[in-house]
Amino acid sequence: GEDVEQSLFLSVREGDSSVINCTYTDSSSTYLYWYKQEPGAGLQLLTYIFSNMDMKQDQRLTVLLNKKDKHLSLRIADTQTGDSAIYFCAERLSSNDYKLSFGAGTTVTVRA
Amino acid sequence: DGGITQSPKYLFRKEGQNVTLSCEQNLNHDAMYWYRQDPGQGLRLIYYSQIVNDFQKGDIAEGYSVSREKKESFPLTVTSAQKNPTAFYLCASSTGGRTEAFFGQGTRLTVV
Repeated sequence: GEDVEQSLFLSVREGDSSVINCTYTDSSSTYLYWYKQEPGAGLQLLTYIFSNMDMKQDQRLTVLLNKKDKHLSLRIADTQTGDSAIYFCAERLSSNDYKLSFGAGTTVTVRA
Repeated sequence: DGGITQSPKYLFRKEGQNVTLSCEQNLNHDAMYWYRQDPGQGLRLIYYSQIVNDFQKGDIAEGYSVSREKKESFPLTVTSAQKNPTAFYLCASSTGGRTEAFFGQGTRLTVV
């Protein structure tokens, strides 16, 4: 089945690293995504990782995938006030299945 | 510019009325989706369409209807049968050749 879980809140000091965690239950997931949502707006894709990868880095973002534990994380280095948002983890089960399943979202608050 | 456009941004409906939310994309994407977002909850899939003239129910289709007569357009009707329609509605599109879904800016529907 499809079930994606995330912690709901994260508070981080400006300049520190943020780590947002996500677990999923379906081992057949092929793609895993991180989206960012600012207040009153749609979702913006931040990054994604294929299930045959362990890590992906893109500027301040690092995605780690532990397939054995079905655990995905997003690390944001040097967190800025503009990083305050809701972050969603999502999975797609197969390349033929266009559906995405989303977690509940983690609200990240960056404090000065 | 290519993108996905939702209208209106805000919509007010009286109880017992049907309303239609517009979603248009010029990205030449095959698949389109409607999600509902409630405060503190993740995105729940209402309907999706992988090809013109075809669509499938998502996890919470009751009280909603869609059509996909054109590739560019995927309107969502919230009917009077939907018991709790007040929510933020997000439309998205994707293609099999890319991995990510692109989102519109959302429509906030309020029942008055």
